[in-house]
Amino acid sequence: GAGVSQSPRYKVAKRGQDVALRCDPISGHVSLFWYQQALGQGPEFLTYFQNEAQLDKSGLPSDRFFAERPEGSVSTLKIQRTQQEDSAVYLCASSLVAGFSSYNSPLHFGNGTRLTVT
Amino acid sequence: AQRVTQPEKLLSVFKGAPVELKCNYSYSGSPELFWYVQYSRQRLQLLLRHISRESIKGFTADLNKGETSFHLKKPFAQEEDSAMYYCALKREYGNKLVFGAGTILRVKS
Repeated sequence: GAGVSQSPRYKVAKRGQDVALRCDPISGHVSLFWYQQALGQGPEFLTYFQNEAQLDKSGLPSDRFFAERPEGSVSTLKIQRTQQEDSAVYLCASSLVAGFSSYNSPLHFGNGTRLTVT
Repeated sequence: AQRVTQPEKLLSVFKGAPVELKCNYSYSGSPELFWYVQYSRQRLQLLLRHISRESIKGFTADLNKGETSFHLKKPFAQEEDSAMYYCALKREYGNKLVFGAGTILRVKS
């Protein structure tokens, strides 16, 4: 596809369930980011991958959150034992080069996955 | 820690009126500042960045290090400018963006 694809678009989970959110970045993009956006707030950084290497996971809120990108393309964000405070839109973004400081390599965002924990 | 503040949740203007979306930041280093925009039913996308010093869709933003501000301006608002606007900061090192809470711009006809 032409853009960053995320699935599912919507996910409802009961408290305590595990969920897995998928991100398909633009083909060939080196960098991949996950952000969490709570209602009424801006996106908050969760983690960053350069190819398959997770270089920054400082934003993951707890050890219930785990992200991987084993082959340097598709990424999965897994949340174990979901809690109500995990309800948010989870955004994935990718860029062509390492980081995104290059003018010619902006961040491309997906449409997000809206997670609701009941 | 760095922080980005957008004091207005909603800014409502008439078509043709000037627009200024405020953004203030707290960071002691040399940040890169960005404006991102999200139109209705579309994904978040980059509008402009201070390093480029360019005008995009008639919008400009100047980084004022003395006031730690990066306000977004447009002299004449158009209805198609209605959207959610986010100001974001990146430190000199690292790759994460710190976003403000966003401002909804509503341009009325």
